Amino acid sequence: GQQLNQSPQSMFIQEGEDVSMNCTSSSIFNTWLWYKQDPGEGPVLLIALYKAGELTSNGRLTAQFGITRKDSFLNISASIPSDVGIYFCAGQKVSNTGKLIFGQGTTLQVKP
Amino acid sequence: NAGVTQTPKFQVLKTGQSMTLQCAQDMNHEYMSWYRQDPGMGLRLIHYSVGAGITDQGEVPNGYNVSRSTTEDFPLRLLSAAPSQTSVYFCASSYPGTGGSGELFFGEGSRLTVL
Repeated sequence: GQQLNQSPQSMFIQEGEDVSMNCTSSSIFNTWLWYKQDPGEGPVLLIALYKAGELTSNGRLTAQFGITRKDSFLNISASIPSDVGIYFCAGQKVSNTGKLIFGQGTTLQVKP
Repeated sequence: NAGVTQTPKFQVLKTGQSMTLQCAQDMNHEYMSWYRQDPGMGLRLIHYSVGAGITDQGEVPNGYNVSRSTTEDFPLRLLSAAPSQTSVYFCASSYPGTGGSGELFFGEGSRLTVL
């Protein structure tokens, strides 16, 4: 069954606000990734994290690989309308397998 | 550059019918996989392949078959469709290596309804 718990399930925020979402697990992962899915499309990779404690930014997005290797968070600063979509965390337990476990997703809506 | 191409985009089946979802990638990726997406459950791995001739089961493999005869193609077969297989199916590919295998490139999805 599902092994990644992602929260919150949904968020409705005002444009310009910061957003934070996280993912936790009872298992250790070697890789944490964050994907975004726009309506009617497949997920697209936002950030990949490979080392415990790693903090990585991609524009207004910042993600961290938890020091225990059992969690990760994603922050979005100064949200804009095009940030709308579903955000998924994903973990890879064994490196170099291509097998990912996904969280349930966080649906983000941004009010202009 | 087409990336990952899935066909068909939409399909309606009757219970018991069989069909094949096609997936092709032109990036020479060794790893390919199939996920299904259901509301509130994220994406769940059905089958995956680390190279031509090699396939393995994921989290929810029952009712599905795969084969990988070429690097480019990874079709997903539904042997006898059931309403529980109503879902959106995504094919993905990636290149091997610690730094890349989890960086999946997804197709646009195939929406399947089983009546």
